[in-house]
Amino acid sequence: GDSVTQMEGPVTLSEEAFLTINCTYTATGYPSLFWYVQYPGEGLQLLLKATKADDKGSNKGFEATYRKETTSFHLEKGSVQVSDSAVYFCALSGGQGAQKLVFGQGTRLTINP
Amino acid sequence: EAGVAQSPRYKIIEKRQSVAFWCNPISGHATLYWYQQILGQGPKLLIQFQNNGVVDDSQLPKDRFSAERLKGVDSTLKIQPAKLEDSAVYLCASSPTDIGNYEQYFGPGTRLTVT
Repeated sequence: GDSVTQMEGPVTLSEEAFLTINCTYTATGYPSLFWYVQYPGEGLQLLLKATKADDKGSNKGFEATYRKETTSFHLEKGSVQVSDSAVYFCALSGGQGAQKLVFGQGTRLTINP
Repeated sequence: EAGVAQSPRYKIIEKRQSVAFWCNPISGHATLYWYQQILGQGPKLLIQFQNNGVVDDSQLPKDRFSAERLKGVDSTLKIQPAKLEDSAVYLCASSPTDIGNYEQYFGPGTRLTVT
């Protein structure tokens, strides 16, 4: 079945550092790819998405590009802030025609001032 | 626009007891999902409804879990009897259509602790 693998966490960075969180996937067909974020004490929020190969999703300074050849959707940000501290989830849907989201295990990010 | 509502936010029960969670999706959203998120893991789908019909319940432990969505709006997820391994956050999500790949909107979740 479909699956998503994220880089192991937790990740700790200093403010203004460059961030990369790796995500690779296995899926049948042509899934849509997502990054969700979970801030402390809050629910899951969509951060960005890409629906086809070579699409780039972006939001709040975060970016991720749908790479079909490497089955990857790595999350990047050029300069992180303390407020970016959260748990980040990579997910896919539609790989087998199903609408459900299949999530990676999550990566906890802590940004120190 | 109001978001997905869930209650209660927290629940502590003893094993073998029963518990129920409630979800009210965003108005007009046809599709409703229940996910289970065990600590340190990503959410896993338990059941998906399209209006009041079940689309996918392949990962729902049917011997102890049940869910319904009466009138295609609110939904209730029940566990009876609960086991220690049911300790998790139960997330409800909704989306506006069953066609294509559309964003899912999540509620705040119910944190269940089974002792």
